[in-house]
Amino acid sequence: DAGVIQSPRHEVTEMGQEVTLRCKPISGHDYLFWYRQTMMRGLELLIYFNNNVPIDDSGMPEDRFSAKMPNASFSTLKIQPSEPRDSAVYFCASSFAVNYGYTFGSGTRLTVV
Amino acid sequence: SQQGEEDPQALSIQEGENATMNCSYKTSINNLQWYRQNSGRGLVHLILIRSNEREKHSGRLRVTLDTSKKSSSLLITASRAADTASYFCATDERGAQKLVFGQGTRLTINP
Repeated sequence: DAGVIQSPRHEVTEMGQEVTLRCKPISGHDYLFWYRQTMMRGLELLIYFNNNVPIDDSGMPEDRFSAKMPNASFSTLKIQPSEPRDSAVYFCASSFAVNYGYTFGSGTRLTVV
Repeated sequence: SQQGEEDPQALSIQEGENATMNCSYKTSINNLQWYRQNSGRGLVHLILIRSNEREKHSGRLRVTLDTSKKSSSLLITASRAADTASYFCATDERGAQKLVFGQGTRLTINP
């Protein structure tokens, strides 16, 4: 397995634009997590899915953020409209269980100017 | 919200020395995990220790857990330059159904 695959690796966009981040989890992992990492706030859990169903989205900052998982092999995190304070590294991770070891992707570094 | 807090925030040692990092947490947990993050990369799972375990080994890694003190330590023996990275502890509060990461310890191994 190629691991958790995220795209793009880097994204630079202008304030107000829509941004879509993509993730392909490891096959067979029932859980998928979206995290955001910044120097100030560290690693924050945004939302996680179990068997494609959103379970906990309490970490999603505001309505500008949305996440979907249409099938077991694909998830998206969308920010519309984007703002400079959204600049961060966004990680996707997958796992067999919510409290077992997570496999992280390489992340998407988002810069909103 | 942050559950685990690592100490120290940064650690710099010479190659070959042992590195010890600590993690403290606030509530009862099912397990505690340690992860490594190299610069510009995702986190990599190192080791998981369950709440009924006191010590666990994996290669040059040794993890201890003291649930009475709500703390854990990660020891890396005979450090190498390749161990330079940030190390995070992560805990799952009982009933919380999610893993919460600390702020991490930045470890630098000097050749």
